Amino acid sequence: SQKIEQNSEALNIQEGKTATLTCNYTNYSPAYLQWYRQDPGRGPVFLLLIRENEKEKRKERLKVTFDTTLKQSLFHITASQPADSATYLCALDNFNKFYFGSGTKLNVKP
Amino acid sequence: GAGVSQSPSNKVTEKGKDVELRCDPISGHTALYWYRQRLGQGLEFLIYFQGNSAPDKSGLPSDRFSAERTGESVSTLTIQRTQQEDSAVYLCASSVTDRVRRAGELFFGEGSRLTVL
Repeated sequence: SQKIEQNSEALNIQEGKTATLTCNYTNYSPAYLQWYRQDPGRGPVFLLLIRENEKEKRKERLKVTFDTTLKQSLFHITASQPADSATYLCALDNFNKFYFGSGTKLNVKP
Repeated sequence: GAGVSQSPSNKVTEKGKDVELRCDPISGHTALYWYRQRLGQGLEFLIYFQGNSAPDKSGLPSDRFSAERTGESVSTLTIQRTQQEDSAVYLCASSVTDRVRRAGELFFGEGSRLTVL
């Protein structure tokens, strides 16, 4: 069956460091992958989209990689700030249905 | 506002009652999605609309769940004979995704928190 895995353990890092979050999937061949941020009690907010023919995408302090051979995406936040603390979700498209991982909580400590 | 609007934001109901959750998508967004998020969990896909047709209802957990959409506008998710296991946040999202482009970010509402006593 199809599966999307994100590290369920919270990631705790110091302010200024780079946070790296992982999204692994099986039994999918997504045309693209998205990353969202979710704050407590709020709906997810879109951050980045990367297509299957793109290896890397950047937006300000954010970088996403997409390896369709490894079936993995990495999400990086450089120069992290306490305001980056949130849960980050990856989402894969499957013919216009979007399936989400369970998310990884990031805690950035001052 | 211009975002996705959901109502009610909070709903407490007794087991066995029916509930209706409403979603107003962003104007012009052809695709609409319903997800369920249990406490501390990820998003569980329920149903997807393209216009007012639902090509995929496979995520609906049981026949107590149904959804409809009027044109490319409002959608209603109905849960009949609610059970305690239905307690969750129900999130709605809309997108400009269409069958051809297959691409588009999802814009989420703030969700409807359902508590079944």
